Formats: sequence, structure tokens, C-alpha cells
Amino acid sequence: DAGVTQSPTHLIKTRGQQVTLRCSPKSGHDTVSWYQQALGQGPQFIFQYYEEEERQRGNFPDRFSGHQFPNYSSELNVNALLLGDSALYLCASSWDRVNTEAFFGQGTRLTVV
Amino acid sequence: AQSVTQLGSHVSVSEGALVLLRCNYSSSVPPYLFWYVQYPNQGLQLLLKYTTGATLVKGINGFEAEFKKSETSFHLTKPSAHMSDAAEYFCAVSTTNTGTASKLTFGTGTRLQVTL
Repeated sequence: DAGVTQSPTHLIKTRGQQVTLRCSPKSGHDTVSWYQQALGQGPQFIFQYYEEEERQRGNFPDRFSGHQFPNYSSELNVNALLLGDSALYLCASSWDRVNTEAFFGQGTRLTVV
Repeated sequence: AQSVTQLGSHVSVSEGALVLLRCNYSSSVPPYLFWYVQYPNQGLQLLLKYTTGATLVKGINGFEAEFKKSETSFHLTKPSAHMSDAAEYFCAVSTTNTGTASKLTFGTGTRLQVTL
């Protein structure tokens, strides 16, 4: 079992550009959540996808959007990048059960210059 | 709304000494509580979790935590620190009032340093 895999591992983008991050969940998991972890901070919940729909959303602007595919993999899109979007973006997968364990990928380090 | 407060952004202990990382939570409904560890340039790994039942929870790598409702605390301990325990530790809370895999609310983390 490969666990949760994210790609790419590192990315450098220019302000105003758009970026797409990808996540493959752990085998058997159907729910994908995305978190943003700024330097020196704890992860902040962005949103969660289940059955190809956004089910929960944190306090992030509409520039942050996502998608879940029929195979449960997911993408995170960020438009009009700001310097403040520089962070580690973590994907977590789980089963659609109450408070089951979330398994995290190693993250994508996004640097906006 | 729920929240987590981790007291002490940095904790330093000697190898072999007791590790105590503090976490206090706020939740309007019965919480589920988690401790995660993050090594440099890595994702998060679950150490242990409290859902229901026994309030003393044992996790991996010799860590344990005790849920104290009266103190709204979920402190993480390990009797004897090892150099390999040096990492960032995050306490997290989720709520039980939804029938779905809930989002996690994390604290700001505690960096554990282990010295010889």
C-alpha cells in the first residue's frame, strides 16, 4: 500500500499565476481533505471532498478550489497566487465514517515569488 | 467552534528524561482528540487518538496521553525521551456532531528537542 501520495513535492510559482496540486488517497479511502500549513504554524483546513463534491470548507477564499475524481483522487487549484499562499499543502484521506483516522501525504511545498 | 491550544512552542529535554507536551482544547460537543508528529519535510503521522472509552490512550513509539474532561486537557507524555523523538508535535480536535469524517482543527505545534 503506497499510502497517500502527493505531487509535485516542490513547486515555485510567480504571483498571479495558477497552480494545481494532486493527491492520490490511501487504498480504500473515499474522502480527501486538504490542509495549508504555513511556516511555523499548524495545518489549516481548506476543504474536504466526498463523492466528487465539496462537503466541508474552511475559511479560505474562492481562489482555492478543488476536484475529486471517480477514483477518489483529488486536485487542489489556487488561482491568482499571492505571496501569502506560500506554504506546505497537505492532503489527507480517510473513510467516510465519524472521526476515523486521517492519513496524510508528505505534502507539496509551494513557494510563490 | 472547536480550538486547540498547545502550551510551549519549543520544549527541550535530555535523552532519557520525561517528555510532557501540553494540549488544551475547547469544544461545545464531545471531542475526538489526536496527537500527530511531523518530522522535517514530512507529512503528519498519527501517534494516538482519543474517541470514547478509556481516558488513558497508548500510542506508537511509547507515547501516551490522558483525556481529562474536567481540565479540557489532552497532554502527551513519554517516560524516556530518545534522540529520534525530536520532531514537531501537533494536537488536533474534531467534533462528533456530524456523521462524516470530520475536519481536524490543529494547534500551532510544539517542537521537541532532545539533547544528549
